[in-house]
Amino acid sequence: SAVISQKPSRDICQRGTSLTIQCQVDSQVTMMFWYRQQPGQSLTLIATANQGSEATYESGFVIDKFPISRPNLTFSTLTVSNMSPEDSSIYLCSGGRTGVTDTQYFGPGTRLTVL
Amino acid sequence: DAKTTQPTSMDCAEGRAANLPCNHSTISGNEYVYWYRQIHSQGPQYIIHGLKNNETNEMASLIITEDRKSSTLILPHATLRDTAVYYCIVRVGPWSGGGADGLTFGKGTHLIIQP
Repeated sequence: SAVISQKPSRDICQRGTSLTIQCQVDSQVTMMFWYRQQPGQSLTLIATANQGSEATYESGFVIDKFPISRPNLTFSTLTVSNMSPEDSSIYLCSGGRTGVTDTQYFGPGTRLTVL
Repeated sequence: DAKTTQPTSMDCAEGRAANLPCNHSTISGNEYVYWYRQIHSQGPQYIIHGLKNNETNEMASLIITEDRKSSTLILPHATLRDTAVYYCIVRVGPWSGGGADGLTFGKGTHLIIQP
């Protein structure tokens, strides 16, 4: 199974600033994804991180707000831009190998609080 | 992906079998049933998946009805560490050309194991 780490594990930020979250996978995966989990809610898919190209965003999420990079197979970043208190959530990345088991492995999440 | 319906919460005594139901009456022939769980303050964890046959692994058993419109996840000897939110997800499997998308999480079942 893949081991996924995220940095930072938590942060408290001021309104209007930006935060970049890093996700590292310990083995090569074909797919990487970013999710948001608002307080008391289930996970919502933000986007698919595509290696070497623009991410594929879900409805309601845009690149200007959540720019994503994936320079290689095992690393991706998510930036939360121009933050407001409504962005306070847990942000999780996941990775998986499609075509085999389709199992996805999740990182521990980054708990973001925006004041 | 087909919609799933799960009870909001369930209690189970420690050491007993926990049976978590999931309804997926609109499931298609090429869609698999996946189960994930999320322990408090952690990322979701894959448990098991199946197409139409019953499946068992070291964590749990998955029983799928013959018409595939519902399934039950069984934790044979629940422990306090099994307290978590359990998500039933239906999606096209990688062997059917799917598996390249992120997961769609419903509200899940909050399973509480009582000592």
